[in-house]
Amino acid sequence: AQSVTQPDIHITVSEGASLELRCNYSYGATPYLFWYVQSPGQGLQLLLKYFSGDTLVQGIKGFEAEFKRSQSSFNLRKPSVHWSDAAEYFCAVGDGGSQGNLIFGKGTKLSVKP
Amino acid sequence: SQTIHQWPATLVQPVGSPLSLECTVEGTSNPNLYWYRQAAGRGLQLLFYSVGIGQISSEVPQNLSASRPQDRQFILSSKKLLLSDSGFYLCAWSGASGLSYEQYFGPGTRLTVT
Repeated sequence: AQSVTQPDIHITVSEGASLELRCNYSYGATPYLFWYVQSPGQGLQLLLKYFSGDTLVQGIKGFEAEFKRSQSSFNLRKPSVHWSDAAEYFCAVGDGGSQGNLIFGKGTKLSVKP
Repeated sequence: SQTIHQWPATLVQPVGSPLSLECTVEGTSNPNLYWYRQAAGRGLQLLFYSVGIGQISSEVPQNLSASRPQDRQFILSSKKLLLSDSGFYLCAWSGASGLSYEQYFGPGTRLTVT
């Protein structure tokens, strides 16, 4: 069965520092992969997605992610974190079914130090 | 452009009372619709999804039910709330085919059962 693992529950980085959030998935075929961001008390906003093609995908708010099939990973990166990036980040993979269901990781909470 | 609405934004209900949460989507036709629950520290749990009017699939047996009386309306209900029903409820939609797995989320409803 498909699954998504986000190994880090909580990460703290200093403003201006680089960021990498880890995501590992389990899926037999080429996966549909997503990163979402959730600010406190808000819904989820789609940051970026990978379906096929170039393994480095660009998203909104200066984020990017790289699909590495050999490592079953889809890590999210940002070169310079801003205080407004403090939020919870969720990685997700399509479940392979026809209903378009997503399987989510448990999330990584990002705190940003001034 | 498409928008998704949820109401109410917050709700405090006593144990044993009924529940009705509403979700509506604008700007698209025949979307797939989803209800998720987010409990503290537990990520997103898919509760129900619907691929059309009157078509509801349940992912988790529980105290809740869902209905889709109109193409772009999705309702989450309960006859008698339990304390364990507290959480943040999110509605989401995706394109009709669902094959892209790309879901867009509403702002959520915070439910507290007392």
